[in-house]
Amino acid sequence: AQKITQTQPGMFVQEKEAVTLDCTYDTSDQSYGLFWYKQPSSGEMIFLIYQGSYDEQNATEGRYSLNFQKARKSANLVISASQLGDSAMYFCAMRVFSGGYQKVTFGIGTKLQVIP
Amino acid sequence: NAGVTQTPKFRVLKTGQSMTLLCAQDMNHEYMYWYRQDPGMGLRLIHYSVGEGTTAKGEVPDGYNVSRLKKQNFLLGLESAAPSQTSVYFCASSSGQRDTGELFFGEGSRLTVL
Repeated sequence: AQKITQTQPGMFVQEKEAVTLDCTYDTSDQSYGLFWYKQPSSGEMIFLIYQGSYDEQNATEGRYSLNFQKARKSANLVISASQLGDSAMYFCAMRVFSGGYQKVTFGIGTKLQVIP
Repeated sequence: NAGVTQTPKFRVLKTGQSMTLLCAQDMNHEYMYWYRQDPGMGLRLIHYSVGEGTTAKGEVPDGYNVSRLKKQNFLLGLESAAPSQTSVYFCASSSGQRDTGELFFGEGSRLTVL
């Protein structure tokens, strides 16, 4: 079974500072992908970043980077230079490829609040 | 550029009534998913589909049925609604390519069961 764990229900960060949102995962599959979504108070799901299990370098997308540590089964999201608009729920998710099926499971999320 | 469209956006049901949520995508994606989102519980996978005519159970399938008769549509049915099914439902689709991760989400459907 696949499992995503986000242990930080809520986080605060000062504007312009960097923040790390934690995510650990558990799977016995060798081929999988990890990603992060942002959900502002308006409710839509916004894709941020993706990392494949065989990617050797950490993924980066603008101010977002994914700190992938395969041996520790962690995929933390780092947001640099936080902005007020970064205040939102953040979800870590995992996609596993098994027998032609692609199952995608999400964690419970972390609520980030950026303080001016 | 529609992407993923969910209908209806809002619905109020009485216990025991039935309804169907429709998800339509115009990106020719093979994979489609139904999730429910409840406070403090993240998104939980209800059912998913790996192609036309093929579906599979997710984490919380009880009380729901799905069908994928056409590649672009994925229907979620509640045969006898219960208050515990009050939630926000999200549909998502994906091309399934291994080098990209993006799931494209609909705007969500808020269902209240009285």
